[in-house]
Amino acid sequence: DSGVTQTPKHLITATGQRVTLRCSPRSGDLSVYWYQQSLDQGLQFLIHYYNGEERAKGNILERFSAQQFPDLHSELNLSSLELGDSALYFCASSATSGTHNEQFFGPGTRLTVL
Amino acid sequence: GENVEQHPSTLSVQEGDSAVIKCTYSDSASNYFPWYKQELGKRPQLIIDIRSNVGEKKDQRIAVTLNKTAKHFSLHITETQPEDSAVYFCAVAEGNTDKLIFGTGTRLQVFP
Repeated sequence: DSGVTQTPKHLITATGQRVTLRCSPRSGDLSVYWYQQSLDQGLQFLIHYYNGEERAKGNILERFSAQQFPDLHSELNLSSLELGDSALYFCASSATSGTHNEQFFGPGTRLTVL
Repeated sequence: GENVEQHPSTLSVQEGDSAVIKCTYSDSASNYFPWYKQELGKRPQLIIDIRSNVGEKKDQRIAVTLNKTAKHFSLHITETQPEDSAVYFCAVAEGNTDKLIFGTGTRLQVFP
């Protein structure tokens, strides 16, 4: 158990819908990262937040957005869902930013878009 | 942006043999190179990492070597065991950021 929690574990929804994935980092960690893992694209970095502020963005679609709240938990919002958005979404956390601390991954949320 | 290539995509070895996985990267400014192990249905877990100021790092049966000039780094697992069977990902922190760019993964199978 890494100490990073993600909810829900599984999510099944239809095309065109909107979902919210939630992540709680390890106690004391200020950085939260989101990754998408699909069979054809592998593990792809989406976005990094540090203490509430966006630090880096990957190839995140405009339909996707994220935020980190004052209590440091983070949410990833996916809207206008398409079949190709079906994937495993991981959240990771690390102590700080800019010092290459280990990123601890959560158990993931498996999203299925039908 | 950073581009990471990983080879081989699959690797089968006999228990007790060594396994080597290689990665290349494109951005000479990158200076942090972690390796993650992902068992089936589980989360990626860091197994070893290396920073650009060293050329090699060891942790028991696992070692990583880095050649900054050639922009490649490798994972070496010695005396492999069946529980080493998993998918291994190399990654590179792009530039001076914490943004990890992952390789495409190597599925390692260790046969008893």
